[in-house]
Amino acid sequence: AAGVIQSPRHLIKEKRETATLKCYPIPRHDTVYWYQQGPGQDPQFLISFYEKMQSDKGSIPDRFSAQQFSDYHSELNMSSLELGDSALYFCASSQRGAADSNQPQHFGDGTRLSIL
Amino acid sequence: AQKITQTQPGMFVQEKEAVTLDCTYDTSDQSYGLFWYKQPSSGEMIFLIYQGSYDEQNATEGRYSLNFQKARKSANLVISASQLGDSAMYFCAMREGLAGGGADGLTFGKGTHLIIQP
Repeated sequence: AAGVIQSPRHLIKEKRETATLKCYPIPRHDTVYWYQQGPGQDPQFLISFYEKMQSDKGSIPDRFSAQQFSDYHSELNMSSLELGDSALYFCASSQRGAADSNQPQHFGDGTRLSIL
Repeated sequence: AQKITQTQPGMFVQEKEAVTLDCTYDTSDQSYGLFWYKQPSSGEMIFLIYQGSYDEQNATEGRYSLNFQKARKSANLVISASQLGDSAMYFCAMREGLAGGGADGLTFGKGTHLIIQP
């Protein structure tokens, strides 16, 4: 079965640079979520999109922005990168329906971002 | 206060034994969902099982079952007949406010590092 595709898998940047992470959800999934997982930490919710509109916002820094496109893929844009942004960034997707409570969020393999 | 508490930072279990991973949660919402994810050392996050707050029966998925005790606000994961491949970090997570939309993001616990020994 098709899974959530994230690119790139690994990314190395320097401080103050910018980065763009991409996410392609599972086909027919209409909701995309972004999470950040620091080393040895649990994932932290950043932001989500449903039908190309921002749906919910978590602890996303102002330096980060995201959007969902007409083909449902999503991009996380990160600017003025800091050492503390080094983390594993997950994208997840789900299909929102009348009973979306029981629709699990399926995660991609993540993008490992390292800031030098 | 922590919304999700996993009290076992690490566990060692003999292969073929059953294992219970503890999870307690804190919410004032009546409608919420509880999830368990597995994260192997390779890093991916794998969905295991889901329990809704209104589900009367405990969820089961193959060797995984969820011991849901609503009054105690606990949602423990039980893995039967453990295998070497079960060695991983296990996260309990919650989604709140499901009635009328609510929050999208999952709140995760700190995780339990499970090691299965031969």
